Amino acid sequence: AQSVTQLDSQVPVFEEAPVELRCNYSSSVSVYLFWYVQYPNQGLQLLLKYLSGSTLVKGINGFEAEFNKSQTSFHLRKPSVHISDTAEYFCAVRDSGGYQKVTFGIGTKLQVIP
Amino acid sequence: DAMVIQNPRYQVTQFGKPVTLSCSQTLNHNVMYWYQQKSSQAQKLLFHYYDKDFNNEADTPDNFQSRRPNTSFCFLDIRSPGLGDAAMYLCATRRTGAMNTEAFFGQGTRLTVV
Repeated sequence: AQSVTQLDSQVPVFEEAPVELRCNYSSSVSVYLFWYVQYPNQGLQLLLKYLSGSTLVKGINGFEAEFNKSQTSFHLRKPSVHISDTAEYFCAVRDSGGYQKVTFGIGTKLQVIP
Repeated sequence: DAMVIQNPRYQVTQFGKPVTLSCSQTLNHNVMYWYQQKSSQAQKLLFHYYDKDFNNEADTPDNFQSRRPNTSFCFLDIRSPGLGDAAMYLCATRRTGAMNTEAFFGQGTRLTVV
């Protein structure tokens, strides 16, 4: 079984400030890791993914995340946020084997304050 | 160009009245998922299809059923909706293979039960 923990349910941050959204996972097998963004009343859009290789992954909209295997973390960061980044962000994990299930965290609501 | 399309975007149904949500995809992906999303909770996987193979999560209520008549379409049937079934329902697709690991989501159907 695998699980995803997003420690912060809400993160307020001023515009142009940096932000980090935390994600920890647990799994008995090797995994793929994802961050999705969801705007109000919309589906989920992929921000970035880690499959293998470099532990620093760059995604869309200036976001990046770093995979840390020893700490089982995959924190999402952006050096300078914009109002348009206000949304809910979900960390997700899928094992790299044949099982198809994607497990999500409960989400972190990012509120960018002007 | 929408690739995973869910209809309708908003659905209101009466308590106990059967309702069907639909999902179609233009991606020719072999895996399709139905997720239930409630406020401040992680997305809950209800079922997924791997090609024609149906996989029901152990804790998916019997009230929920699914059909996948062909690769492009997948339906979620709720036989007797209760107030607790009000949620956002998300359809997602994925193509298995070494280079395709992330799921593509539709915009969701928000179900209200009155």
